[in-house]
Amino acid sequence: GENVEQHPSTLSVQEGDSAVIKCTYSDSASNYFPWYKQELGKRPQLIIDIRSNVGEKKDQRIAVTLNKTAKHFSLHITETQPEDSAVYFCAASYGATNKLIFGTGTLLAVQP
Amino acid sequence: DTAVSQTPKYLVTQMGNDKSIKCEQNLGHDTMYWYKQDSKKFLKIMFSYNNKELIINETVPNRFSPKSPDKAHLNLHINSLELGDSAVYFCASSQGQSSGQETQYFGPGTRLLVL
Repeated sequence: GENVEQHPSTLSVQEGDSAVIKCTYSDSASNYFPWYKQELGKRPQLIIDIRSNVGEKKDQRIAVTLNKTAKHFSLHITETQPEDSAVYFCAASYGATNKLIFGTGTLLAVQP
Repeated sequence: DTAVSQTPKYLVTQMGNDKSIKCEQNLGHDTMYWYKQDSKKFLKIMFSYNNKELIINETVPNRFSPKSPDKAHLNLHINSLELGDSAVYFCASSQGQSSGQETQYFGPGTRLLVL
């Protein structure tokens, strides 16, 4: 079935440390993997995405890695700052309809 | 200059009532979506439309009926509201849908509380 598992559900780090969030998906045909950041009471906002023809993508302090064989992808945030505190969602596309199945979210708390 | 907008922002209503939520995007996108985010923050697709045609229709009670009068608008009508319908409903849009790799942009959400 269509399923995306996300771990951990909560993550607390000290400012300046790195944070890693991991997701696995079930359908080997999935080819698009976005990550969204949702601050309290706000909309989910895309922070980075990766498509299946690449294994890694980086944008300043944020990077995503994809392992299609293992059906696994991860978000890496380096030099974390208090404003990185939010809920982060991974997602995987299913089928040609652009349907996204979301993970259950990770609440990241960056302690100053 | 909001890209994806929704009205109302908040909606408090009694069980059994009928209500509508409206969504508009000014990005020129062809595809629009409705998502439900429950109290545990789970974000789940409900429907999508591509150029006014229904594309995704998840297992949603038929009390929920989406309507797309044109490709810039997607409304959600809910009949006979139940307590379990309380959630945040997000609209989203993307350029298209056929590649399965299109970025989706979310609206600000409508917080529905059924009493």
